[in-house]
Amino acid sequence: DAGVTQSPTHLIKTRGQQVTLRCSPKSGHDTVSWYQQALGQGPQFIFQYYEEEERQRGNFPDRFSGHQFPNYSSELNVNALLLGDSALYLCASSLAGTVYGYTFGSGTRLTVV
Amino acid sequence: GNSVTQMEGPVTLSEEAFLTINCTYTATGYPSLFWYVQYPGEGLQLLLKATKADDKGSNKGFEATYRKETTSFHLEKGSVQVSDSAVYFCALTIFINTGTASKLTFGTGTRLQVTL
Repeated sequence: DAGVTQSPTHLIKTRGQQVTLRCSPKSGHDTVSWYQQALGQGPQFIFQYYEEEERQRGNFPDRFSGHQFPNYSSELNVNALLLGDSALYLCASSLAGTVYGYTFGSGTRLTVV
Repeated sequence: GNSVTQMEGPVTLSEEAFLTINCTYTATGYPSLFWYVQYPGEGLQLLLKATKADDKGSNKGFEATYRKETTSFHLEKGSVQVSDSAVYFCALTIFINTGTASKLTFGTGTRLQVTL
């Protein structure tokens, strides 16, 4: 049973560019959440998708957007990249209505230069 | 808002020593509490959880008890191993009765280094 799959694993982008990160949830899960983990910090919630809609959003600017597809997979898009966007981006999947079924992927390490 | 406070690291212990990592929380509502572990270069793995007061979560020799009166969820292990070296995150979530899972709020993490 595959867990959460994220791609790519590493990415280097230039300031001002746009980036798309991808996530496939664990089999049986229908909700995808995205987190940003800066170096030496705990993960910070970006947003959550369920039924192809953004359901909750953390304190992130509109440069951060997402999408969920009918097969429950998800994308995170970041526009106009800043140096401060350099971080590990984690995807977590879960089943709606549960409180402890989160499964995390290994993350995408984004470096903005 | 909700928040989690963890003891600062790094924590350096000799193998077979006793481990305690302190975690306290502030939450509106009745949270579920978690400990996650992150090994170098990897994502987060759920270590243990507790969903109501006085629950004890346990896994791989680690334990934590949900203490509502002190709003704490301290992580303990009686005898650490070198392989336990990692970063440990305390986290909470509040169940939203809307059919979706609530977000996780994390502490800043505590790095544990175990030496021979």
